[in-house]
Amino acid sequence: GENVEQHPSTLSVQEGDSAVIKCTYSDSASNYFPWYKQELGKGPQLIIDIRSNVGEKKDQRIAVTLNKTAKHFSLHITETQPEDSAVYFCAASDTGNQFYFGTGTSLTVIP
Amino acid sequence: DVKVTQSSRYLVKRTGEKVFLECVQDMDHENMFWYRQDPGLGLRLIYFSYDVKMKEKGDIPEGYSVSREKKERFSLILESASTNQTSMYLCASSFLNTEAFFGQGTRLTVV
Repeated sequence: GENVEQHPSTLSVQEGDSAVIKCTYSDSASNYFPWYKQELGKGPQLIIDIRSNVGEKKDQRIAVTLNKTAKHFSLHITETQPEDSAVYFCAASDTGNQFYFGTGTSLTVIP
Repeated sequence: DVKVTQSSRYLVKRTGEKVFLECVQDMDHENMFWYRQDPGLGLRLIYFSYDVKMKEKGDIPEGYSVSREKKERFSLILESASTNQTSMYLCASSFLNTEAFFGQGTRLTVV
């Protein structure tokens, strides 16, 4: 089955700096890659996603890049703000019936 | 607004009890999922269902069963709760090959 690895497990940045979280996957059949943000006491919420026919997608301060050849994808957050502090999960999906999640990155933005 | 509602935010049960966790979604999604979330282990899939009365085992089904009698409702059952099942349980739903929407989670403590 699919195996998704996520790094780093914790990340601290100064407010205004950029944050990058990286994930790798093992199954070349995976074609959908969502990123989720989980705030304390809440369920994960989708922040951005990308499909395998696209190399990059951007939504304001958040961007995701995908390298299908190397089987890795990354989340980039620019101009970080304290409210970006949360746990972030990457995931990979092939048929869409199952999502395989990374182990999460705890991001702290220091004011 | 899509809503995935889990019946309880917090539960405390005794070892050996039969425990029911309920999840309801209002978006007519075909797929529903139960995940377990533990620190450092990310989200691990217990069971998922792609249609009424259909179910598939995930990565950690031992000690759990599920029921999906109606499209909008997916129940997780702990047949005989044990202390190692103390965890955060997350329900999610989705259409095929699209984002999953999560409930707020149920924090279960087995004493």
